[in-house]
Amino acid sequence: DAGVIQSPRHEVTEMGQEVTLRCKPISGHNSLFWYRQTMMRGLELLIYFNNNVPIDDSGMPEDRFSAKMPNASFSTLKIQPSEPRDSAVYFCASSSLRDRAYEQYFGPGTRLTVT
Amino acid sequence: QKEVEQDPGPLSVPEGAIVSLNCTYSNSAFQYFMWYRQYSRKGPELLMYTYSSGNKEDGRFTAQVDKSSKYISLFIRDSQPSDSATYLCAMNDYKLSFGAGTTVTVRA
Repeated sequence: DAGVIQSPRHEVTEMGQEVTLRCKPISGHNSLFWYRQTMMRGLELLIYFNNNVPIDDSGMPEDRFSAKMPNASFSTLKIQPSEPRDSAVYFCASSSLRDRAYEQYFGPGTRLTVT
Repeated sequence: QKEVEQDPGPLSVPEGAIVSLNCTYSNSAFQYFMWYRQYSRKGPELLMYTYSSGNKEDGRFTAQVDKSSKYISLFIRDSQPSDSATYLCAMNDYKLSFGAGTTVTVRA
């Protein structure tokens, strides 16, 4: 299996621009998570989908952030408009509730820099 | 107060030493306790998990959970330079709560 795939791996953009991050979970996994990691705040859960349905978006920092999962094999995290404080590494992870829900498989991350 | 507290270190040890990492938590509903390892510029990967209280050993790694004290530990015996990474504790009710991560460097 290819594992969780994220794109792009690096993104540099200017303040005010729209940013879209993409994730392809592991085939067969029915839970998908978006995290943000910074030195100051560590690894924070932004939103969590189960069977393509958003279950908990309490970690989404503000209305500038939105996430979708149109099907079981694709999800996006969008930031519009982006701000310098959004600079972080964004991880997507997936897991299977049928097996070990606590074992999440992380993608390589997208390193976002907003100037 | 965060649900999961973990000293970020950094921790530097000579090769062959025992590495001791720990976390405390506040939510008594947590049942699964995990340690993830994250190499530089990579995503975290599950290293070990423990259900409820007790010890679990996997090769050079031992995880301990004391639910009465809300305290978990990870020990790495005979540490190797390849163990140099950030170690994050995590625990869950229906989602994972992560500690800040402890950065460990094993010197050759």
